[in-house]
Amino acid sequence: GAVVSQHPSRVICKSGTSVKIECRSLDFQATTMFWYRQFPKKSLMLMATSNEGSKATYEQGVEKDKFLINHASLTLSTLTVTSAHPEDSSFYICSASGVPGAHGYEQYFGPGTRLTVT
Amino acid sequence: GENVEQHPSTLSVQEGDSAVIKCTYSDSASNYFPWYKQELGKGPQLIIDIRSNVGEKKDQRIAVTLNKTAKHFSLHITETQPEDSAVYFCAASKKAGGYQKVTFGTGTKLQVIP
Repeated sequence: GAVVSQHPSRVICKSGTSVKIECRSLDFQATTMFWYRQFPKKSLMLMATSNEGSKATYEQGVEKDKFLINHASLTLSTLTVTSAHPEDSSFYICSASGVPGAHGYEQYFGPGTRLTVT
Repeated sequence: GENVEQHPSTLSVQEGDSAVIKCTYSDSASNYFPWYKQELGKGPQLIIDIRSNVGEKKDQRIAVTLNKTAKHFSLHITETQPEDSAVYFCAASKKAGGYQKVTFGTGTKLQVIP
């Protein structure tokens, strides 16, 4: 149980284009979803938090107009990197919380999406 | 905000030996402390967690301890196996609005030598 998927696993795009990453909770309804960014050999940095049907809450320093988050349903959240530039190249990971029966604190992570902007 | 420090950054142990990773946190409001294992190119996997009202928790070869007064918590892996090799992250979590906000440590790369 508590499986989170991400699509695509890898994406290469040209500078100036936009890329959409999907995050799905497969076997539970996620009340909250989180988007993280991870640089090589570094820790995870929280970018934003979203609840279904609400606007995302962005962390300080994260441009909300560049990283668009849509939490359309209790099982799907999307992150769109708009007008991507090489410095946006990174490993993007989503997580979800809200597993029934648990105390609700746990976050379950997706496998990540490797974005490369050329 | 919360600050989580993690040591060591790298750890090599012989197969069968124990491994200990230590973390400290700064925010006394943190009430949940998960540990994650991350293999290369994959997302983090929750391996064990502990809440602030518990001092110790064990799950087979993995145990976690929490000293709330000192704001220290540790991960103990006994009888290490090569498949335990990965990067381990500690984290501290506290209530922020309607959800739990997680702050990660800097990670420990564990290498188990066969």
